[in-house]
Amino acid sequence: AQSVSQHNHHVILSEAASLELGCNYSYGGTVNLFWYVQYPGQHLQLLLKYFSGDPLVKGIKGFEAEFIKSKFSFNLRKPSVQWSDTAEYFCAVNKGGSYIPTFGRGTSLIVHP
Amino acid sequence: NAGVTQTPKFQVLKTGQSMTLQCAQDMNHNSMYWYRQDPGMGLRLIYYSASEGTTDKGEVPNGYNVSRLNKREFSLRLESAAPSQTSVYFCASSEGGRTEQYFGPGTRLTVT
Repeated sequence: AQSVSQHNHHVILSEAASLELGCNYSYGGTVNLFWYVQYPGQHLQLLLKYFSGDPLVKGIKGFEAEFIKSKFSFNLRKPSVQWSDTAEYFCAVNKGGSYIPTFGRGTSLIVHP
Repeated sequence: NAGVTQTPKFQVLKTGQSMTLQCAQDMNHNSMYWYRQDPGMGLRLIYYSASEGTTDKGEVPNGYNVSRLNKREFSLRLESAAPSQTSVYFCASSEGGRTEQYFGPGTRLTVT
């Protein structure tokens, strides 16, 4: 069965620090990759996605992610976090044309002002 | 354009009671999903509907039933609520296949 691993369960940073959240998946075929963000008390929103092409994907609010096929990874990065980035971040992977994404367990990010 | 809407926002049930969570989307999406979110567990798929007229079980379907009423609406029913079903429930929709999902605001359910 496909699995999605987010290695960092809780991350605490100060404002202006750099961020990298890890995401690895176990499926070897064609995948579609997503990062979602859930701000406190809100629903999940799409941060960025990768289907094909340039493996470096830019999303909203200064976030980016890099797809490294050989490492089965899709890590999320931001060079300088803000207090407003405090949220839970979920990585999700679709196999090929599957209707069902597999979600990681999420990473809770707290940014101190 | 409201996106995905869910009702109710909050609900408290006693063990054994039944209720239906409603979900509707106005984006003409083919696929709809029900998830539950529990601390430390991420999102777990309960049921999904790949297209109007079809429904399938997800990872944690026990204790739930669904109805895809039409292309817009996808309801989740708890026939006999149990404390283990205390959770936040999210409905989502997508065009289908490889595309991203759009989530509703969630329903916080407590079963006592």
